[in-house]
Amino acid sequence: AQRVTQPEKLLSVFKGAPVELKCNYSYSGSPELFWYVQYSRQRLQLLLRHISRESIKGFTADLNKGETSFHLKKPFAQEEDSAMYYCALLGGSEKLVFGKGTKLTVNP
Amino acid sequence: KAGVTQTPRYLIKTRGQQVTLSCSPISGHRSVSWYQQTPGQGLQFLFEYFSETQRNKGNFPGRFSGRQFSNSRSEMNVSTLELGDSALYLCASVIGGGSDTQYFGPGTRLTVL
Repeated sequence: AQRVTQPEKLLSVFKGAPVELKCNYSYSGSPELFWYVQYSRQRLQLLLRHISRESIKGFTADLNKGETSFHLKKPFAQEEDSAMYYCALLGGSEKLVFGKGTKLTVNP
Repeated sequence: KAGVTQTPRYLIKTRGQQVTLSCSPISGHRSVSWYQQTPGQGLQFLFEYFSETQRNKGNFPGRFSGRQFSNSRSEMNVSTLELGDSALYLCASVIGGGSDTQYFGPGTRLTVL
């Protein structure tokens, strides 16, 4: 079964502090993993995907197959990073399975 | 390029009624997926259509159904509404499918009284 776990429902950091949003997955094959973000009053949008190995808005995420994790990291959080973040997995069935999300608040 | 549009944006129904939601994908996108978003369960996959055929289905009862038209527009229908069907229903369009990026619409907020 495909499963995505985001252990933190809420995460609060101060501006300029490092931030890490955790994501663990369960999937027997080779997954494709994504991070989606939803800013206040905006639609859900793709932040990054592991196959592209790119950094978006200063965020990076590394797929660790040994630990079945895909944590999202940013060295210096900004207030505009405050949003809901969803980790998602695309398995063999070609349907996205989402975690329940982490609400990140960056305090001034 | 216009984004994914969903109509209506808000809907209030009573138990036992049925409802139809509409999604217009980005021009040229052939795949549409539907998701239900609730505070308790988060985002849950409902179904996916590609070229008018349902390609994937989530674990929802048969009261939830959908279809896709030749112009890729999609509708989902929920019959015999229950209070627990109150949710934000999101659709996402993809050019082809698989690992292509999903572009989400703003959602339809359904409230069942």
